[in-house]
Amino acid sequence: DAKTTQPPSMDCAEGRAANLPCNHSTISGNEYVYWYRQIHSQGPQYIIHGLKNNETNEMASLIITEDRKSSTLILPHATLRDTAVYYCIVRVDQNYGGSQGNLIFGKGTKLSVKP
Amino acid sequence: NAGVTQTPKFQVLKTGQSMTLQCAQDMNHEYMSWYRQDPGMGLRLIHYSVGAGITDQGEVPNGYNVSRSTTEDFPLRLLSAAPSQTSVYFCASRGASAPYEQYFGPGTRLTVT
Repeated sequence: DAKTTQPPSMDCAEGRAANLPCNHSTISGNEYVYWYRQIHSQGPQYIIHGLKNNETNEMASLIITEDRKSSTLILPHATLRDTAVYYCIVRVDQNYGGSQGNLIFGKGTKLSVKP
Repeated sequence: NAGVTQTPKFQVLKTGQSMTLQCAQDMNHEYMSWYRQDPGMGLRLIHYSVGAGITDQGEVPNGYNVSRSTTEDFPLRLLSAAPSQTSVYFCASRGASAPYEQYFGPGTRLTVT
């Protein structure tokens, strides 16, 4: 089972920041938080990941609470092309040979960006 | 680089038929995996491989076989197709260095009648 909880859907106005929450209250000390998104019918796409510090890249920012039990993905200026299902996943950040390295997907949050 | 490629894009099978879904990657990734996605659901892991000659089962392996004879290719075989296997199938590969992001193929949409 997925170790994360996300709202099933969210709306965001074009040009505004989209803040997608994720709860992962049972996260282990060696588990990272990963975010992927899936634009309609395409394969999922990696966005960002982090352990405990906030992270930023060209796509998004990731804010992780100090107790690491929740996080927020921020798309600073959402566009219509950001409409997608966003998946929050926790996993160990090692190239393990076993199942610990697998991505376990939940149902994600369907983000609709509206003009 | 072509990344992860999958063939065919679409396939219709009759119940009981067998077929192989092809997956290839040109990034020299050791780790490859197969997922299925049913309508309104997240992806579920079928099988995965951590290198040539090594495969293991995921969450939903029944009815599927895999093999990994080369680093590049990871085919998924349906032994005797059933309507419950109607789904979209995604192949993915992952590098051996941080951030260990997975690259997904475009998917194969399979319908079993």
